[in-house]
Amino acid sequence: NAGVMQNPRHLVRRRGQEARLRCSPMKGHSHVYWYRQLPEEGLKFMVYLQKENIIDESGMPKERFSAEFPKEGPSILRIQQVVRGDSAAYFCASSPRGDEQYFGPGTRLTVT
Amino acid sequence: GDSVTQMEGPVTLSEEAFLTINCTYTATGYPSLFWYVQYPGEGLQLLLKATKADDKGSNKGFEATYRKETTSFHLEKGSVQVSDSAVYFCALSAGGSGNTGKLIFGQGTTLQVKP
Repeated sequence: NAGVMQNPRHLVRRRGQEARLRCSPMKGHSHVYWYRQLPEEGLKFMVYLQKENIIDESGMPKERFSAEFPKEGPSILRIQQVVRGDSAAYFCASSPRGDEQYFGPGTRLTVT
Repeated sequence: GDSVTQMEGPVTLSEEAFLTINCTYTATGYPSLFWYVQYPGEGLQLLLKATKADDKGSNKGFEATYRKETTSFHLEKGSVQVSDSAVYFCALSAGGSGNTGKLIFGQGTTLQVKP
């Protein structure tokens, strides 16, 4: 059973561009969580999704950030018009029932 | 709101030394508690967990006991190895109805074990 997959592993964007981060959960997992890890900090919750539904987006910035988890395909975290402060590692985690979470290797976003 | 506080690092130990990383939490209700480990350049791996008071989680020689009276979940290992060098995160998931399972993390503690 493959683990949680994220791609790309590293992403470089210029200020003002869009960043699109993908997360494929473990087989059989229908719950996905996204977290952001700023340099020298712990992880902060961003959003929790189930297939086709956003359940909890209390940690998402109100502007420029969006997330989806379609019926088919990976979950996508989209950041529009990136700024330097968006540079961070973005981790997704999947869960079979919304309890124990399994983390992917992360996408490290650098905004130049 | 709910929060987790860990002892600041880095913690530097010699191989075979005893390890304690302190973790305390603030939460309403009855949270589940977790320790995750992050090796350089990798994602987080679940190390151990406890879901109710007085439970002891254990894995790979690491242990932590859920202490409700002191709101703590300290991580311990009797004899560390160089391969244990990593960043350790304490986390909670709030209990009760309406809980979405989101994790609240401490800031992480870097452990460096020297041969």
